[in-house]
Amino acid sequence: RKEVEQDPGPFNVPEGATVAFNCTYSNSASQSFFWYRQDCRKEPKLLMSVYSSGNEDGRFTAQLNRASQYISLLIRDSKLSDSATYLCVVNEAAGNKLTFGGGTRVLVKP
Amino acid sequence: EPEVTQTPSHQVTQMGQEVILRCVPISNHLYFYWYRQILGQKVEFLVSFYNNEISEKSEIFDDQFSVERPDGSNFTLKIRSTKLEDSAMYFCASREDRAIETQYFGPGTRLLVL
Repeated sequence: RKEVEQDPGPFNVPEGATVAFNCTYSNSASQSFFWYRQDCRKEPKLLMSVYSSGNEDGRFTAQLNRASQYISLLIRDSKLSDSATYLCVVNEAAGNKLTFGGGTRVLVKP
Repeated sequence: EPEVTQTPSHQVTQMGQEVILRCVPISNHLYFYWYRQILGQKVEFLVSFYNNEISEKSEIFDDQFSVERPDGSNFTLKIRSTKLEDSAMYFCASREDRAIETQYFGPGTRLLVL
C-alpha cells in the first residue's frame, strides 16, 4: 500500500471557481502534515501546515481527519497562478524524513 | 528571506563517474536532508543529517552515496560511481530545529547520467 496517496488529476478549474482534493496516508502514527506546492521542474515550496483543528490561509483551507487518515486542501476563488502540482506531505516521526504523495495537478483556466 | 542554495543547477556525467552535489542550508538551521525526484515520479527521501552524522537513510542511500558537512556552511552529497538510474533532480532541504517541523527546499540539481 502506498504511504501517501493522491489523485494525480489533472483538475481543470475555471478561474474563480473552488477546487478541493484529498490525500490519504497509511501510517496512523504520522505526526505532522503539510501541503507543498511544486511548479514544473522546481523545488517543493511549503503552502501550509495542516493542523488537527483545520486551518485557513487566505483562499486556502486545509483539514485533517485522523480517524479516516486523510488530509484535504480547498482552494477558493482560483487564480491562474494557482496552477501547479500540490504535494501532500507527511512526517511520520518528529524530526525526520518527509514522505511525499505523488501530487495532484491543478490547472486553472480563464 | 534566507534560502537554501544548491550548485550546480545542472550536471551531466558519464556512467561510473563520481559526482558531488553541493548545498548551502539556511544559516541557523540544524537539520539537513537530501531528497531526489526522478522525472515524473514523487519526491523520495534519501538521507537526514544532524550533529555531523547521519540520523536516518533510505534504502536508496546505499554504499555509493555519502554525505558530508565539510565546513560550517556546505552540505554535500557524493555519488561515487553513477548509474543511469541516478538521473534525477536532487533537492537539499534544511530545518531550523527539533521544535519546528517545516523543511525548506533548495532549487535542486538536475543530474543526468549518460
